[in-house]
Amino acid sequence: EVQLVESGGGLVQPGGSLRLSCAASGFTFSSYSMNWVRQAPGKGPEWVSYINSGSNIIYYADSVKGRFTISRDNAKNSLYLQMNSLRDEDTAVYYCARKARTGAVAGTVDYWGQGSLVTVSS
Amino acid sequence: DVVMTQSPLSLPVTLGQPASISCRSSQSLVYSDGNTYLSWFQQRPGQSPRRLIYKVSNRDSGVPDRFSGSGSGTDFTLKISRVEAEDVGVYYCMQGTHWPPWTFGQGTKVEIK
Repeated sequence: EVQLVESGGGLVQPGGSLRLSCAASGFTFSSYSMNWVRQAPGKGPEWVSYINSGSNIIYYADSVKGRFTISRDNAKNSLYLQMNSLRDEDTAVYYCARKARTGAVAGTVDYWGQGSLVTVSS
Repeated sequence: DVVMTQSPLSLPVTLGQPASISCRSSQSLVYSDGNTYLSWFQQRPGQSPRRLIYKVSNRDSGVPDRFSGSGSGTDFTLKISRVEAEDVGVYYCMQGTHWPPWTFGQGTKVEIK
């Protein structure tokens, strides 16, 4: 069974930093591209960042570019999101999400974690 | 970025009756490989999203056959043939053809009348 478990969320002041982790199990983590997707309270999901299996292709949403850094450790079956210079508008539940294997660059998410709440407030 | 527009945003339905959700994209979602990367997700209250449909009309494992997806190009539909109590939640369409970024619709809240 595919499992994605996020951790590291919490309350942080504007301008602060936080590091999210996602522990993956139930599949060959090193073979899959991964993503972070966030969902602000009462809003729809918003894609945040992508990393391919070899960590050599990385993308960010414009809203977080230059402030967030995605990374992974295939030996530890783990995905990370380092978030710096946090703003009020970064408040959201952050989901770790697996990209489905489609054989193409295009595709979709097939599994989501349970999410980790990040609250940015003074 | 591709804009995904869902309608209606709220859908009160009587148990056992059908429901239909529309999703329109600001440009065609046909990819260069001939596939159309349009997915539907269900988010029940207090839960994370769950994928129901991928590539327009393919149902995920374990998804009841009362859920079906259809459409092409820029117009897509999710149908529930007979709504059950467990179907209450918010439904999102998502395009994965033109990315980054992947983009989602605003969501359609399905509730029981």
